[in-house]
Amino acid sequence: KQEVTQIPAALSVPEGENLVLNCSFTDSAIYNLQWFRQDPGKGLTSLLLIQSSQREQTSGRLNASLDKSSGRSTLYIAASQPGDSATYLCAGTYGGSQGNLIFGKGTKLSVKP
Amino acid sequence: GAVVSQHPSWVICKSGTSVKIECRSLDFQATTMFWYRQFPKQSLMLMATSNEGSKATYEQGVEKDKFLINHASLTLSTLTVTSAHPEDSSFYICSATTSYQQYFGPGTRLTVT
Repeated sequence: KQEVTQIPAALSVPEGENLVLNCSFTDSAIYNLQWFRQDPGKGLTSLLLIQSSQREQTSGRLNASLDKSSGRSTLYIAASQPGDSATYLCAGTYGGSQGNLIFGKGTKLSVKP
Repeated sequence: GAVVSQHPSWVICKSGTSVKIECRSLDFQATTMFWYRQFPKQSLMLMATSNEGSKATYEQGVEKDKFLINHASLTLSTLTVTSAHPEDSSFYICSATTSYQQYFGPGTRLTVT
């Protein structure tokens, strides 16, 4: 069964701190892995997408890595800001680009000013 | 970039009535759209895969007669919740696929009273 797990479920950090969110998946036959941000009561904002052939992707203060062999991905956020407070979801796509996403339960991040 | 819209953004209905939710890809054509459901503090769970011009494929445990999906064109898929009950109250999110990735709508909050 394909499962995606995210640790921790919640994280609170002071502003300016660097942090890492973890994601693990049981099936290494992943097509790609995405990190999303979800604000309360809102839809999903795609942050980074890593193809199965790639190791990492960077966008601004965000860096995501993918290690298929160990079934892990990390999202690194540098110099965190209160505006980064949200729930971060990782999801693996299986079955090609038209396949469905398997989501983790998310990590709720709170950045204190 | 690819944009997906949903309408309505939120809806309140009485138990026993039916509600239709629309999902549109605004600037691209999508042969495949997905419908997800998210309960409070839970992750997104795939309900069904909607393919243009054919019947939807439902995930195990999702009642196809209760959640009617129609994908009549390459830019529109609809989800109708029939005879809604309070336990159907949830956040419904659709996504539309290109050859590269999925793009998500902003979601529809359904409350059944």
